[in-house]
Amino acid sequence: GAVVSQHPSWVICKSGTSVKIECRSLDFQATTMFWYRQFPKQSLMLMATSNEGSKATYEQGVEKDKFLINHASLTLSTLTVTSAHPEDSSFYICSATMTNLETQYFGPGTRLLVL
Amino acid sequence: QKEVEQDPGPLSVPEGAIVSLNCTYSNSAFQYFMWYRQYSRKGPELLMYTYSSGNKEDGRFTAQVDKSSKYISLFIRDSQPSDSATYLCAMSSGGGNKLTFGTGTQLKVEL
Repeated sequence: GAVVSQHPSWVICKSGTSVKIECRSLDFQATTMFWYRQFPKQSLMLMATSNEGSKATYEQGVEKDKFLINHASLTLSTLTVTSAHPEDSSFYICSATMTNLETQYFGPGTRLLVL
Repeated sequence: QKEVEQDPGPLSVPEGAIVSLNCTYSNSAFQYFMWYRQYSRKGPELLMYTYSSGNKEDGRFTAQVDKSSKYISLFIRDSQPSDSATYLCAMSSGGGNKLTFGTGTQLKVEL
């Protein structure tokens, strides 16, 4: 149980384009989803927290207009990287959790390369 | 000082060895403790989850929490090459709060 999927697993795009990443909880209803960014050989950096039907809460230093997050249902959250630039190239990972559960289940990650 | 400290390694051990991975923390509000395993280019996988001091065992893995010393450990018995990965400790204060991660320890189990 507690499976989280992400799509796509990797994406290459040109600078200036927008990229959408989907995160789905496959066998449970995720009241809260999180989006992380991870650079090589570094730990996870939390970007934002989203609750179903509410606006996402962004961490300090994360541009809201650059990283658009939508959590429209209890099984789906999306992260859109708008006007992507090479410095946005990274490994993006989502996680999901349920009410009264203190741990998080992670997706397999999406590798983004902006040329 | 970081809230969670974890030795980054790398740690190299022979197959069959007992591995000890450790984290210390400074925030006494942390009540929930997790260990994740992350293979290269993959998302973290939950290995152990505990919320009380003491030991919790699951197969070859044992999680140990000492809240009085603010210290947690993960022991891996009979380590296998497939255990080669980065191990992340994580903790939270509860109430759906975000997780605070250690920097991760890179483990290599050699044949």
